[in-house]
Amino acid sequence: GEKVEQHESTLSVREGDSAVINCTYTDTASSYFPWYKQEAGKSLHFVIDIRSNVDRKQSQRLIVLLDKKAKRFSLHITATQPEDSAIYFCAARTNSAGNKLTFGIGTRVLVRP
Amino acid sequence: NAGVIQTPRHKVTGKGQEATLWCEPISGHSAVFWYRQTIVQGLEFLTYFRNQAPIDDSGMPKERFSAQMPNQSHSTLKIQSTQPQDSAVYLCASSLTGDEQYFGPGTRLTVL
Repeated sequence: GEKVEQHESTLSVREGDSAVINCTYTDTASSYFPWYKQEAGKSLHFVIDIRSNVDRKQSQRLIVLLDKKAKRFSLHITATQPEDSAIYFCAARTNSAGNKLTFGIGTRVLVRP
Repeated sequence: NAGVIQTPRHKVTGKGQEATLWCEPISGHSAVFWYRQTIVQGLEFLTYFRNQAPIDDSGMPKERFSAQMPNQSHSTLKIQSTQPQDSAVYLCASSLTGDEQYFGPGTRLTVL
């Protein structure tokens, strides 16, 4: 089955700088890649996603890049703010798996003032 | 819209006891998912329903775990003969389209 590796376990960035989280996946049939954010003491909430028919998607300060050849996707948080501090999870889904998501282990992002 | 509701928020059981976890999805959402979150294993998919029908239970430990969705307003996850390794946060999520999933606050299960 699909395996998703999230390469950074922790990231510390200065407020205003960019944070980049990288994930790789194993199943070439994966076609949908969402990102979720988990703030301290709270549950996950969806932040952005990308499908395999595009290689870049932006939503305000969030940019997701997808490199299908390398089976890699990344989340770029630009102009970071203190409220961006959280754990971020990448995930992948293959069409054959229905709506089942396989998650990465999570990256803790700390934005320093 | 209250979001996905999960009860109880915390449950402590003794080894060998049964635990039943409840989830109320967002009204109108046809897909319901159960996940388990631990520090060691991260987020693991357990099972998924669409329109109350079980679609994929490939993540469920076969012997002691079962899930049901008797109506569109709630789903249950039952763990029989709980073991310490079942200790985790159990998350329920619902989705309108199957893409963006809305997660509940989770039930923290502690098995002593």
